[in-house]
Amino acid sequence: DGGITQSPKYLFRKEGQNVTLSCEQNLNHDAMYWYRQDPGQGLRLIYYSQIVNDFQKGDIAEGYSVSREKKESFPLTVTSAQKNPTAFYLCASSTGGFLYEQYFGPGTRLTVT
Amino acid sequence: AQSVSQHNHHVILSEAASLELGCNYSYGGTVNLFWYVQYPGQHLQLLLKYFSGDPLVKGIKGFEAEFIKSKFSFNLRKPSVQWSDTAEYFCAVNARRDSNYQLIWGAGTKLIIKP
Repeated sequence: DGGITQSPKYLFRKEGQNVTLSCEQNLNHDAMYWYRQDPGQGLRLIYYSQIVNDFQKGDIAEGYSVSREKKESFPLTVTSAQKNPTAFYLCASSTGGFLYEQYFGPGTRLTVT
Repeated sequence: AQSVSQHNHHVILSEAASLELGCNYSYGGTVNLFWYVQYPGQHLQLLLKYFSGDPLVKGIKGFEAEFIKSKFSFNLRKPSVQWSDTAEYFCAVNARRDSNYQLIWGAGTKLIIKP
């Protein structure tokens, strides 16, 4: 069954700790994306990757880091430098760039206290 | 800066009512337009998209949207809604930002259909 998995669904961390969110896809898509969703706001792009070993910053990359060592995996690290990390994080993938339909995972809700 | 506005954050309708959700964008160049939907407990998924050609596009489950270039709008419509249309609807525009294209998202509209 093809799709995108994100784990865990809920994540709790103490302030000052780095945390890594997992995103895996078995759709054989080249492009992957990380978005942040806050109440009353649209999705905001954190990072995206159009090919393995390459990624670009989105609008709100500060305090986040990513890697793309494998086609199917695009983990996001929320670092202690992110000033307001509590949010809902969505991972997506597509066959190509932004012109193509994006397929979304279920999301991870991160709470930092 | 480019932005996408969805004017209604919450809409409540009765079954069989007609639906129109507004979406306006601010970008003067060539755009590609999308509506995504998130049903309760499910992932975000594509409802319909416009790239070129006929400005009236049809999507899944009887939804359609009309691109009106002069109004910078891409409103979503359905003639008769069902209880199963209860969901959150997002408009997105593929527009140039710096040297790249990127999807810019509206804040979403939560639609509740009363049975």
